Amino acid sequence: DGGITQSPKYLFRKEGQNVTLSCEQNLNHDAMYWYRQDPGQGLRLIYYSQIVNDFQKGDIAEGYSVSREKKESFPLTVTSAQKNPTAFYLCASSTRTRGEQYFGPGTRLTVT
Amino acid sequence: AQKVTQAQTEISVVEKEDVTLDCVYETRDTTYYLFWYKQPPSGELVFLIRRNSFDEQNEISGRYSWNFQKSTSSFNFTITASQVVDSAVYFCALSETQGGSEKLVFGKGTKLTVNP
Repeated sequence: DGGITQSPKYLFRKEGQNVTLSCEQNLNHDAMYWYRQDPGQGLRLIYYSQIVNDFQKGDIAEGYSVSREKKESFPLTVTSAQKNPTAFYLCASSTRTRGEQYFGPGTRLTVT
Repeated sequence: AQKVTQAQTEISVVEKEDVTLDCVYETRDTTYYLFWYKQPPSGELVFLIRRNSFDEQNEISGRYSWNFQKSTSSFNFTITASQVVDSAVYFCALSETQGGSEKLVFGKGTKLTVNP
């Protein structure tokens, strides 16, 4: 079955630690995205990548980093520089030409 | 800048009622796409529909229907004979082109609760 997987579903970290969220897709999509969702809020774009080895900052990139070494994978690192990292993180992918985005199940990160 | 407004933060209905979720958008693009997504309590966003800006025909899919009106920049979503399983947060989104890259701008969502 084609789809997007994110792991783990729940993640707990201490303040000051970097943490990497995994996102893998087997839909053969060129574009991948990372969003952050806070309670009662819409989705805010963190980073996106249209092709391998290339990515762009979204609206709230500060404190985050990404890599896109393979078409299937787009991991997100939440660094200690991110002031309020506790949130629900969603990964998505799409074809490049204004296609609908398909989402993974999300990772709920809690930093204390 | 592109913007999507979903003025209804929360809606509560009783099962079998019809309900309409409003979506108003702003864009300077002449070609764009509009989307609706459903986010059930599990958290994963589920794609419902994509609409091209050149196609103003209304669309119906089972109990779901969408009304796209370019004149009022609206793309409203109606659920007919609502069911408890329709309870979710619904997001409207607009495609945006920036520097040759495509991305979506989301509204803040409307939380729909369907009571038995």
